[in-house]
Amino acid sequence: GAVVSQHPSRVICKSGTSVKIECRSLDFQATTMFWYRQFPKQSLMLMATSNEGSKATYEQGVEKDKFLINHASLTLSTLTVTSAHPEDSSFYICSAEQRAYEQYFGPGTRLTVT
Amino acid sequence: GQQLNQSPQSMFIQEGEDVSMNCTSSSIFNTWLWYKQDPGEGPVLLIALYKAGELTSNGRLTAQFGITRKDSFLNISASIPSDVGIYFCAGQLDSGNTPLVFGKGTRLSVIA
Repeated sequence: GAVVSQHPSRVICKSGTSVKIECRSLDFQATTMFWYRQFPKQSLMLMATSNEGSKATYEQGVEKDKFLINHASLTLSTLTVTSAHPEDSSFYICSAEQRAYEQYFGPGTRLTVT
Repeated sequence: GQQLNQSPQSMFIQEGEDVSMNCTSSSIFNTWLWYKQDPGEGPVLLIALYKAGELTSNGRLTAQFGITRKDSFLNISASIPSDVGIYFCAGQLDSGNTPLVFGKGTRLSVIA
């Protein structure tokens, strides 16, 4: 159990376009999911907390209008990178909590903006 | 934002050796978690610790939740080549459904 999937695993897009990344909890329901960003050889940086049925909570310095988060159901959260620029290229990872205190991560999405 | 102090930053060891890494914090955590991340993949949960002083094993892995709730260590015994990867500690300050605070990771290399 406790499987989290992400789609797509890799995406290349042109500068100025938008990209949507999906995060799904496959065998459990998650009222809260988390979105992280990871640069090469660095740790995970929390971007936002995604709450089912309500607005996401963004970390300081993360533009909510650029990184749109929607948590429409108990098994799906989406992150949309709007008007992407090359500096948005990164590894994006989501996580979900199956039961108290155990967070499971998706396999990540590698975004490259050309 | 807040971050845990994880050490060492990297390790090169011979196959069969034991490994130890640790994390410390100035804050008290309710939960400590240890993850392993392979290149291009998401972190995989190895061990979760819930109580101060708790010692938990998962195969060749052993982790402890420090008695002060401000530190944790992870030991790997008899290392094998597939242990290669980056190990992250993570702490949770409050109750469930709250973000994790991560260490910077320990990059482990195993020489066969």
